[in-house]
Amino acid sequence: GAGVSQSPSNKVTEKGKDVELRCDPISGHTALYWYRQRLGQGLEFLIYFQGNSAPDKSGLPSDRFSAERTGESVSTLTIQRTQQEDSAVYLCASSPMAGVPTDTQYFGPGTRLTVL
Amino acid sequence: AQSVTQLGSHVSVSEGALVLLRCNYSSSVPPYLFWYVQYPNQGLQLLLKYTSAATLVKGINGFEAEFKKSETSFHLTKPSAHMSDAAEYFCAVMITGANNLFFGTGTRLTVIP
Repeated sequence: GAGVSQSPSNKVTEKGKDVELRCDPISGHTALYWYRQRLGQGLEFLIYFQGNSAPDKSGLPSDRFSAERTGESVSTLTIQRTQQEDSAVYLCASSPMAGVPTDTQYFGPGTRLTVL
Repeated sequence: AQSVTQLGSHVSVSEGALVLLRCNYSSSVPPYLFWYVQYPNQGLQLLLKYTSAATLVKGINGFEAEFKKSETSFHLTKPSAHMSDAAEYFCAVMITGANNLFFGTGTRLTVIP
């Protein structure tokens, strides 16, 4: 079946502009995660959604970052007033249920964000 | 707190040689451990995972890893490297009750023909 998809694959923006990144999880997966991968670094957890529960926003680096998810479908990650340090690959993952280690997290191909 | 350390940001091996990618973890509770691979221009793909069953875990593409609690390690091995193994490899940990993975900084594997 279809995997996790993300759009756009690449985004170049100017400092101070807002950007929206989209993630389509695997159908039926209740858990959705956003991670950030900066050059030369490992993945940093940003936020996760589990069904209709309140999201865990503990990884968001600042209040310029926000994310939404409607039910168990698409999620959007919004970065307001982008800064150069926001340049990174933003990865989305989904799994059947959050917090179950035997459930694999399936990753999308990522969105490469470049802030000029 | 939990953390993952991957020794060696770059590893080069000859085709047919042993692959050994090192991962050490720090966790105050028994962890779950994962290896992911990222091929160029692709998303991360799960290679294998340890979830407290057998300590020697076999994954896809001939890779395996052994959980050694006494050494807090979860090193990834493959007996014979193939050109198609060239990629970046990430070790990750999840602890009971958490919902997200904590990743190491990755090791880029180059296979020399």
